[in-house]
Amino acid sequence: KQEVTQIPAALSVPEGENLVLNCSFTDSAIYNLQWFRQDPGKGLTSLLLIQSSQREQTSGRLNASLDKSSGRSTLYIAASQPGDSATYLCAVNSGYALNFGKGTSLLVTP
Amino acid sequence: DAGITQSPRHKVTETGTPVTLRCHQTENHRYMYWYRQDPGHGLRLIHYSYGVKDTDKGEVSDGYSVSRSKTEDFLLTLESATSSQTSVYFCAISESNNEQYFGPGTRLTVT
Repeated sequence: KQEVTQIPAALSVPEGENLVLNCSFTDSAIYNLQWFRQDPGKGLTSLLLIQSSQREQTSGRLNASLDKSSGRSTLYIAASQPGDSATYLCAVNSGYALNFGKGTSLLVTP
Repeated sequence: DAGITQSPRHKVTETGTPVTLRCHQTENHRYMYWYRQDPGHGLRLIHYSYGVKDTDKGEVSDGYSVSRSKTEDFLLTLESATSSQTSVYFCAISESNNEQYFGPGTRLTVT
């Protein structure tokens, strides 16, 4: 069974800092990996999708990398803003559905 | 945003009663999924569908059934609700094995 771990569980940074969220998974046989954002009491918003053949994807201030052989992905957020405060979820697709990590709760303080 | 709606958005029900949650999509995507989200467990797959009348079980399917009679609708039924089924339920859609899009969720409380 695919196990997905996210470190750290919580993170607090001052506005303007660059930060890295980490995701690791146990089985390298994946189709793709998705990063989501979830605001309190809300649904999941897809941020980035990386196919298994790709090394990274970028969207605005977000950059996600994938190292399938080592079972790792990172989400890099540049120049963080208070509006980035949310829980970030990593999810791995190993077949027909997603296996989720428990998330990193991010707080960006003004 | 992907065209996914869930109904109801909130529901309180009593133990032992049947409950049906509905997911409706306007994207004509082939795959539809039901997940539940619980503190300490994250999101877990309940059931999924890979076409009309084609469904299969996920990780936590006990106590749940699903039906998909039309491409756009995927129903999740709790035959006899229990307190352990208190959770937030999310529907998701995708085309093949690509990006999944999630609905706004249904908060279910079983008393």
